[in-house]
Amino acid sequence: GQQVMQIPQYQHVQEGEDFTTYCNSSTTLSNIQWYKQRPGGHPVFLIQLVKSGEVKKQKRLTFQFGEAKKNSSLHITATQTTDVGTYFCAGLKGGNKLVFGAGTILRVKS
Amino acid sequence: DTEVTQTPKHLVMGMTNKKSLKCEQHMGHRAMYWYKQKAKKPPELMFVYSYEKLSINESVPSRFSPECPNSSLLNLHLHALQPEDSALYLCASSQEGVGGNTIYFGEGSWLTVV
Repeated sequence: GQQVMQIPQYQHVQEGEDFTTYCNSSTTLSNIQWYKQRPGGHPVFLIQLVKSGEVKKQKRLTFQFGEAKKNSSLHITATQTTDVGTYFCAGLKGGNKLVFGAGTILRVKS
Repeated sequence: DTEVTQTPKHLVMGMTNKKSLKCEQHMGHRAMYWYKQKAKKPPELMFVYSYEKLSINESVPSRFSPECPNSSLLNLHLHALQPEDSALYLCASSQEGVGGNTIYFGEGSWLTVV
């Protein structure tokens, strides 16, 4: 079936440490989108990557899309307590079908 | 703040009740979605409407009935639900178009079936 694998499931870091979550698909993706969901909240769109090998930055966040358009990563530099939440990747597999990864729960210890 | 508005924010219903969840967007998006999210799980796609027509039904039980009255509105009619249907129901929308389709979520409706 259509799946997007995401690791790790959980990550606890000390404030100031870096954090990375990875996504991998068995099939080529049209694009990949990243969302953040705070506890008790709804998914909030962060960014969309479309081109092979694309790298985008948002302040301390760096997003990459693999050359084969099958994998992606989100890296946060120097985490802060406001970064706490679940980070989901979601791959667009053609048309309007967005398939979510399982998510990575980030906890930041101050 | 999200531009996709969902009501109600919380709903408690019995297994014999009939209720509806409502969603509205004014971004001119022509695709609208219903997702279901259980605790600590990712959103799962239920339905997709494209230009007011149902384009994807992910084998959702018939006790969930979607309706798209116009391009700005999306409803989810609920009837004879089970306790395991308790979840966060997310509405979303996106523009149509190749290479785009960024999906914007509403804040969700928390449903509890008792």
